Amino acid sequence: NAGVTQTPKFQVLKTGQSMTLQCAQDMNHNSMYWYRQDPGMGLRLIYYSASEGTTDKGEVPNGYNVSRLNKREFSLRLESAAPSQTSVYFCASSDFDGRRTDTQYFGPGTRLTVL
Amino acid sequence: QKEVEQNSGPLSVPEGAIASLNCTYSDRGSQSFFWYRQYSGKSPELIMSIYSNGDKEDGRFTAQLNKASQYVSLLIRDSQPSDSATYLCAVRQYGNKLVFGAGTILRVKS
Repeated sequence: NAGVTQTPKFQVLKTGQSMTLQCAQDMNHNSMYWYRQDPGMGLRLIYYSASEGTTDKGEVPNGYNVSRLNKREFSLRLESAAPSQTSVYFCASSDFDGRRTDTQYFGPGTRLTVL
Repeated sequence: QKEVEQNSGPLSVPEGAIASLNCTYSDRGSQSFFWYRQYSGKSPELIMSIYSNGDKEDGRFTAQLNKASQYVSLLIRDSQPSDSATYLCAVRQYGNKLVFGAGTILRVKS
C-alpha cells in the first residue's frame, strides 16, 4: 500500500517548455487534489477532482491543466512553463463523500524549477 | 485579509514545555478545521481535526475551537525536539476544498 505517489520528484525546465506531473493513489479515494507550496504562502489549491470524470478550478489554476485519467490517477500539465511556476507541487487524495470526515493524504511532492 | 492567518514564527519553546499555536479564519460559515504537521522537505500529515466548539485531545495534542471568535489553536504538551516542524492550519470550504494558512514554524530546544 503505497498511498499517494508522485513522479518525478525533481524537475528543471526552461521557460516555455511543457511537462506533466503524475499522481496516483491506491486507497480507492474519490477525490484528488493538486496544490503548490511557495515560501511564506502555505499550500494553495490549483485544481481538484471530486470524483472520476470531474475536475474543478481551485485558487490558482492559471497556466495549468489537469486530467483525471481514472479513479487512481490525476495528472497536472504545464503547457508553457514560466519562472513563476517554480514551486513544490503536492498531490493529495481523500475519501470525502459529503461528510465532515475528509482527511487528505499527501504525496511526497515534486520540486519544480523553471529557469 | 487572508482567509486563514497564522503567525509565521519561529516559535521557540524548551523541551518539556507547552507549545501554543494559533490560527484565525475569516469565513464564519466554516465547519471543519484541521492541523497538519510538515517536516522540512516532507509532505504535510494530518495530526488533528476538530468540528465542534471546545477542546479535543489526542495524546499530547489538544485542538481548541472557538467559532464565535473564529479562532483555532493547537497545544502540544511536553514538547519534544521531534515536534520541531511547520504546523499548518486548514479550514474546509464548500465541497472538500481546504484553505491553508502559511504555517507556523515550531522549534523545540533540548
